Amino acid sequence: EAQVTQNPRYLITVTGKKLTVTCSQNMNHEYMSWYRQDPGLGLRQIYYSMNVEVTDKGDVPEGYKVSRKEKRNFPLILESPSPNQTSLYFCASSFGTGNNEQFFGPGTRLTVL
Amino acid sequence: AQKVTQAQTEISVVEKEDVTLDCVYETRDTTYYLFWYKQPPSGELVFLIRRNSFDEQNEISGRYSWNFQKSTSSFNFTITASQVVDSAVYFCALSEAYRNTPLVFGKGTRLSVIA
Repeated sequence: EAQVTQNPRYLITVTGKKLTVTCSQNMNHEYMSWYRQDPGLGLRQIYYSMNVEVTDKGDVPEGYKVSRKEKRNFPLILESPSPNQTSLYFCASSFGTGNNEQFFGPGTRLTVL
Repeated sequence: AQKVTQAQTEISVVEKEDVTLDCVYETRDTTYYLFWYKQPPSGELVFLIRRNSFDEQNEISGRYSWNFQKSTSSFNFTITASQVVDSAVYFCALSEAYRNTPLVFGKGTRLSVIA
């Protein structure tokens, strides 16, 4: 089944404790991205990747890191999480930008205490 | 810069009523794509439709229809004879064709359909 998977789905952590949210897709998509969703703000892009070893900042990259060592994986790293990073995170993938439909993962609900 | 505005934050209707969700966009490009996504209470994002800027034909899919008007930069979404299962947050989004820019989302409209 074609899908984007994210793990964990739910995470409660404390300020400053490094964490990684994994994202994997099995559709051989070149383009992957991370979004955060906050009430009243909709979805905002954090980082995106056009292909392996190519990443770039989205609208709200501060406090996040990503890597793209393999085509299928695009982990999101929070080196020192803070309470303002409490959010719902979505990973997405597509064959490209423009008219390509983005396939979204199921979401990761992160709470930073 | 590209921008998507969904002015309706929340809408509540009674089952079987028709409802229209508004979407107004801004872009400097002549070639672009518009999308609608649905986010049901379970939280996942479900793709509904994609429309390119050269195709202004309205589209109908069952109870769903979309009205794209370049003259007013709008891409509105109508649900006919709404059902409780239509209750969700609906997002309109814009992508410019020839840039590596992100998919820009509106802030969403929460639709509640009451039985």
